[in-house]
Amino acid sequence: GAVVSQHPSWVICKSGTSVKIECRSLDFQATTMFWYRQFPKQSLMLMATSNEGSKATYEQGVEKDKFLINHASLTLSTLTVTSAHPEDSSFYICSAPLVGLSGELFFGEGSRLTVL
Amino acid sequence: QKEVEQNSGPLSVPEGAIASLNCTYSDRGSQSFFWYRQYSGKSPELIMFIYSNGDKEDGRFTAQLNKASQYVSLLIRDSQPSDSATYLCAVNLSGGGADGLTFGKGTHLIIQP
Repeated sequence: GAVVSQHPSWVICKSGTSVKIECRSLDFQATTMFWYRQFPKQSLMLMATSNEGSKATYEQGVEKDKFLINHASLTLSTLTVTSAHPEDSSFYICSAPLVGLSGELFFGEGSRLTVL
Repeated sequence: QKEVEQNSGPLSVPEGAIASLNCTYSDRGSQSFFWYRQYSGKSPELIMFIYSNGDKEDGRFTAQLNKASQYVSLLIRDSQPSDSATYLCAVNLSGGGADGLTFGKGTHLIIQP
């Protein structure tokens, strides 16, 4: 099946710093990628839709200036958490759809962010 | 507002029995339905998808869809301890993959040896 790779798998940073997470589709092109956030024992919450060559679409309540998304190519999307705070600590997961009848999503391995 | 509802559990099933996981959705326009398995600390992995009414079988897994009742289920036969995980139900409105999926909160399944 299609592979989506995410990096880093975990990161610890100090409060106030910025962290970049990369999401790559390894064997297919993805004009759209999705970024989810998951807190412990909670479901996946869609944060934003990353669109190649245009601005990302953010879900209600997600600060676009805090969570910067760049979709630089058909295989790479990045999420930058700016001025991170402890409440931003979470599991961030990217995904890319296999466009077609099923709409199947392939997920990256996830990135666990801990802000001290 | 699209909603996907699941019983959070935990659902405890003895090893070898059939585990039945249920999901309801609110949007009648939903066209594709997915079951993902998520182990603790890991990202979700796809088990099955279904988009036609009826049953779809894949090994020990059977997905069942009833669009009239807006209900989708997952049956796991001969359940194993390794099946213990959180199972996420997800729906796609457009069916074309461009709009992402809406996930339920997941059902925590425990298979008792």
